[in-house]
Amino acid sequence: ETGVTQTPRHLVMGMTNKKSLKCEQHLGHNAMYWYKQSAKKPLELMFVYNFKEQTENNSVPSRFSPECPNSSHLFLHLHTLQPEDSALYLCASSPGGRVDYGYTFGSGTRLTVV
Amino acid sequence: KQEVTQIPAALSVPEGENLVLNCSFTDSAIYNLQWFRQDPGKGLTSLLLIQSSQREQTSGRLNASLDKSSGRSTLYIAASQPGDSATYLCAVIIQGAQKLVFGQGTRLTINP
Repeated sequence: ETGVTQTPRHLVMGMTNKKSLKCEQHLGHNAMYWYKQSAKKPLELMFVYNFKEQTENNSVPSRFSPECPNSSHLFLHLHTLQPEDSALYLCASSPGGRVDYGYTFGSGTRLTVV
Repeated sequence: KQEVTQIPAALSVPEGENLVLNCSFTDSAIYNLQWFRQDPGKGLTSLLLIQSSQREQTSGRLNASLDKSSGRSTLYIAASQPGDSATYLCAVIIQGAQKLVFGQGTRLTINP
């Protein structure tokens, strides 16, 4: 297991459900990220948080709502999703402001919207 | 806009061969370049990180090179093994932005 832990590993939800994805990092990093990986597309950045503050929203629909209560935890709240939102959602972290140290990724949550 | 391209999209070779995976990027203004490995349905494992001022990095049987001026990186895998089978992703961090821009990956299969 890496220093970035994501739960659940798999999630199936209906279009009217509300669910949340959780990410926790034990690396002392100050920046956390949500990425989306759809079939046959490159990984896409969704959100960036630095020191608990959102610093980037990559034009993500409002049915995805991130939350970062502290530098170690990141959530992605989901509601009224569409089948095309089915994908692997990856969380990552990095030392805040120090892009030269690279990124550490979690194992992802495989989301299926039915 | 930075674009990252990986060639080939898929590669199948017999065990024991040395091989090279290619990555190219359109904007040379990068902080660093990172190679990842992804097993089916799993997250990303970092393999090598090359700073923009460096030319190469090595870890075991892996060697990654970076030529910023030409916008290219290569990942060399020596004496390939079936356990090396995975998708290999290249990503760059562009200057002035705090995000990775990924290529679509090379799906590698090593046949016993």
